[in-house]
Parts: sequence; C-alpha cells; structure tokens
Amino acid sequence: AQSVTQLGSHVSVSEGALVLLRCNYSSSVPPYLFWYVQYPNQGLQLLLKYTTGATLVKGINGFEAEFKKSETSFHLTKPSAHMSDAAEYFCAVSASSYDKVIFGPGTSLSVIP
Amino acid sequence: AAGVIQSPRHLIKEKRETATLKCYPIPRHDTVYWYQQGPGQDPQFLISFYEKMQSDKGSIPDRFSAQQFSDYHSELNMSSLELGDSALYFCASSLGQGGGTGELFFGEGSRLTVL
Repeated sequence: AQSVTQLGSHVSVSEGALVLLRCNYSSSVPPYLFWYVQYPNQGLQLLLKYTTGATLVKGINGFEAEFKKSETSFHLTKPSAHMSDAAEYFCAVSASSYDKVIFGPGTSLSVIP
Repeated sequence: AAGVIQSPRHLIKEKRETATLKCYPIPRHDTVYWYQQGPGQDPQFLISFYEKMQSDKGSIPDRFSAQQFSDYHSELNMSSLELGDSALYFCASSLGQGGGTGELFFGEGSRLTVL
C-alpha cells in the first residue's frame, strides 16, 4: 500500500525567499511520485513527476523535487517565491504507471509581499 | 490540446435526490479515475475504470455507482444524496496498462452542493 505525509499544513514565505514543501512517502514497491498544485476553486495541475531515472526532477514554474530513496522523501523546492505561487500543493504517490494516485493531505503555501 | 471535460461544473441538489456527473477523457486515454474532494481536504479516490471495466475501487459509498462507456466517457451516479456528499468531484484520465507514464490528467471538477 502507498501513503503520503506532508509536514506542515500551512507554509508562509516571503516573496523572493526559498520555498520548501516537505513530502515523505510509504510504498511497498518502487514509487511513482508527483506534485500537484491547486489554485482556489480550480482543478489539479501537475507540477512535476518522478518515475525512474534522474532523481532530481524539474517541473513547471521553476519548481523542482528530489527523490531520496534512503529518506523516502520527495521534497518540493523553488529558489525564489512569487506571489502567484500561493496555492495548495499536494504530494502524491502511485504504485505503477496505471495505478490510482494517492494524495497527501496538502500544504497551503502563502507568499508574503 | 484537448483536456478532460467534466459536466456539469456546478450542481445543486436536495437531500435524497439523485445526481449524475459526466467525464470525457482525453482522446485515446483508456483509463478514468474518480476522486472526491471535500472542503479543505485532499482528493480521495473513489473508483477507476480501464477499458470499460472497473479496475480499482476506493472509498466509494454504496449509494454511488459508476461506469465507463464504449466511447470511454464515464458517469458517476449518486443516489440518496446526503449533506456530506457536498464536494468537488474530479475525474482524471490516463493511458492505461502498457502505455502510461503514471500521470493523471485532471478535469476542472464538478462542484456538488447538497441542500
């Protein structure tokens, strides 16, 4: 079975500061890992994904995440926060390329001017 | 590029009524997933279909049923609606077994309000 935990339900950063959203996963098989972003009253948009290969994954809007198997982590980072980054971020895990995706509880990111 | 289409986008029903949500996957996608997202909650997996057959089942109430049709669109039927069914319902599609990368493409969601 797969599961995801996200440390910190709310994170606030200043505009221009580093964004770090934490995600740890549990999986009985090599995981597929995802970060999705959700803006208010909108759907879920994929930021980035890890399936196999390079453990540092780059996504849209300047975000990246690193898969660390030894730490069972997949933290999301962005060097410089922008006001438009304020949203809900969900880390997610899947067991295969066709299995359902299991979401973490989400982290709400606020960006302070 | 074509995306996942969900209808209706908004739906208001009374308790004990019935509601039907529709999902049209991205062309050539053969797998459809349904998720329920309550207020302030993460999306919860309900059910999925691959090639018109149920492939997985999550926390879907017995009052709910779903199916995938020959054109790959899917419908989620909800009966005896309760206040707690008020949520955003997402449909997602992907290329299934043998062809996918694990990425689910989500629709904009259907917001159901039960009064």
